[in-house]
Amino acid sequence: QVQLVESGGGVVQPGESLRLSCEASGFTFSNYGMHWVRQAPGKGLEWVALIYYDGSNQFFIDSVKGRFTVSRDNSKNTLYLQMNSLRAEDTAVYYCARPMIRGVLNWYFGLWGRGTPVTVSS
Amino acid sequence: EVVMTQSPATLSVSPGERATLSCRASQNVNINLAWYQQKPGQIPRLLIYGASTRATGVPDRFSGSGSGTVFTLTISSLQSEDFAVYYCQQYDNWPPLTFGGGTKVEIK
Repeated sequence: QVQLVESGGGVVQPGESLRLSCEASGFTFSNYGMHWVRQAPGKGLEWVALIYYDGSNQFFIDSVKGRFTVSRDNSKNTLYLQMNSLRAEDTAVYYCARPMIRGVLNWYFGLWGRGTPVTVSS
Repeated sequence: EVVMTQSPATLSVSPGERATLSCRASQNVNINLAWYQQKPGQIPRLLIYGASTRATGVPDRFSGSGSGTVFTLTISSLQSEDFAVYYCQQYDNWPPLTFGGGTKVEIK
């Protein structure tokens, strides 16, 4: 079964850290660039980060640069998002998302995980 | 950054009627535009990519058009399962990839 399953979300205080994971199954994970997309409560979708299929490049939205890192372990079919210095405005459901087509830079998402909620609150 | 603007924010439509959703990009994104549907409590579902190509399994009552900076998603005859929030997303000029703010299609 082709799927993405996120984990690692929770409730933290401002300034703390969390590490999200996304385990992929049912497809060749190492063939795809992978993304994180978030959705704040009652709000729209916001792209957060991208890591190339081989981990060679990573890109981030400006608001998380220097605080978030993205990595992957292709041997474990797992994507990670390390979130440091968390802020209230990072509160959201975090989805990992896979492009519909492998190997090309057409970043539209045909496969989404169910998301993991992150709440940053004092 | 390419800013995506969707209108209207809310569209009230009766079942069986036609719905027309708009998405504008702040700069040319060619046809690198996708549409997603999201129902309450559910994950986004890809409907359209390449501005006009339906994703697998998407009913043909959904159609996309446009290029450059102006795009449209049309639902020809709204079914009960189509009431949802719809997002456009550009993937031409990145990072960042950017989504519109969404259009909620509600029952009139």
